[in-house]
Amino acid sequence: KNEVEQSPQNLTAQEGEFITINCSYSVGISALHWLQQHPGGGIVSLFMLSSGKKKHGRLIATINIQEKHSSLHITASHPRDSAVYICAVRSLGRDSGAGSYQLTFGKGTKLSVIP
Amino acid sequence: DAGITQSPRHKVTETGTPVTLRCHQTENHRYMYWYRQDPGHGLRLIHYSYGVKDTDKGEVSDGYSVSRSKTEDFLLTLESATSSQTSVYFCAISGSFSSEQYFGPGTRLTVT
Repeated sequence: KNEVEQSPQNLTAQEGEFITINCSYSVGISALHWLQQHPGGGIVSLFMLSSGKKKHGRLIATINIQEKHSSLHITASHPRDSAVYICAVRSLGRDSGAGSYQLTFGKGTKLSVIP
Repeated sequence: DAGITQSPRHKVTETGTPVTLRCHQTENHRYMYWYRQDPGHGLRLIHYSYGVKDTDKGEVSDGYSVSRSKTEDFLLTLESATSSQTSVYFCAISGSFSSEQYFGPGTRLTVT
């Protein structure tokens, strides 16, 4: 079973700060997801990546496959970025059966951005 | 936003009663998932479906069953609810096993 660790668990930042959230996993993966859970509970997919880097607006996600590590960066943070950010990985399955569909989720990083 | 709805959104029930949660999608996605979210844990997969009448167990399937008779509906049943099943339940869908998953709004279930 792939273990997914996120750091920090909680993060408080001033508006405008550059934010980094980290995700480490223990075994090989085929893909890594970053999700955002709003205070109201809804979950939104931000990125899915298997190599390199992706950017969407002020959000940047990077992954280092060799080091089994991914980071989510938020530039020019804003109070509306306050949410729980969740990392999830799909392990490399030993077969191509249905079991390879499963994601393993981290416990999340709670971000609060203060005006 | 992907067209996913869950019903009910909130439910309080007593220990030992059966409960069915419904997930409905309008995206015609093949794959559907049921997760539970509890404090101190990441989302955990209960059951998933890879087609009509094709389902399989996830990490925490004990005490739960599922059915999928139509592409658009995926039902999660607690045959006899227990207090340990108090949780927030999320449904998700994806077009393929390797694509992004889109989540429903969640159902908060309290078993007293």
